[in-house]
Amino acid sequence: EAGVAQSPRYKIIEKRQSVAFWCNPISGHATLYWYQQILGQGPKLLIQFQNNGVVDDSQLPKDRFSAERLKGVDSTLKIQPAKLEDSAVYLCASSLNSQSFPYGYTFGSGTRLTVV
Amino acid sequence: RKEVEQDPGPFNVPEGATVAFNCTYSNSASQSFFWYRQDCRKEPKLLMSVYSSGNEDGRFTAQLNRASQYISLLIRDSKLSDSATYLCVVNDRGSTLGRLYFGRGTQLTVWP
Repeated sequence: EAGVAQSPRYKIIEKRQSVAFWCNPISGHATLYWYQQILGQGPKLLIQFQNNGVVDDSQLPKDRFSAERLKGVDSTLKIQPAKLEDSAVYLCASSLNSQSFPYGYTFGSGTRLTVV
Repeated sequence: RKEVEQDPGPFNVPEGATVAFNCTYSNSASQSFFWYRQDCRKEPKLLMSVYSSGNEDGRFTAQLNRASQYISLLIRDSKLSDSATYLCVVNDRGSTLGRLYFGRGTQLTVWP
């Protein structure tokens, strides 16, 4: 079974620039999550999708972050404009369904963002 | 106040040692609990669930004290390959998936 695919692996941008990250979940996984993991901290949920609908975006800084999952499969997370404090690893995860948790809940390898 | 608190360590132990990690959570309504392992520059992976009665998986033992809102992980006979960061994770629902809250992780280094 292919895992959760994320790209790019690394990105360096200047503050105030824009950046986008892409995630392709495991085939058939209806739920997709974006997490932010700042160095030395645990992952923090930014947004959760169920198919193409948003379930939870309460911790997403909506003034600069946006995310979409238009066809209920892959997803894009965007930051515009970036700040220094956005430097982090952005992890995507997907799950088959809520009943199977914690099994079937898989993280991608993440995108490491550095804002300079 | 953070939802999940962990001692970040680092813990540096020799091979064969026994080491214990602790974690506390703030929401008494939290329903299910887990330990995840994260290797350097890798994604988190499920290590084990934590049950109220305590549970073992080989050299790993997890315990939960709901009254104290306290979770622990014991690793016996440490191996070099156990070197990683151990994340305490709390789910705000029971048998189904709610929102996951991650601790900052406890870093373990096992030396030969």
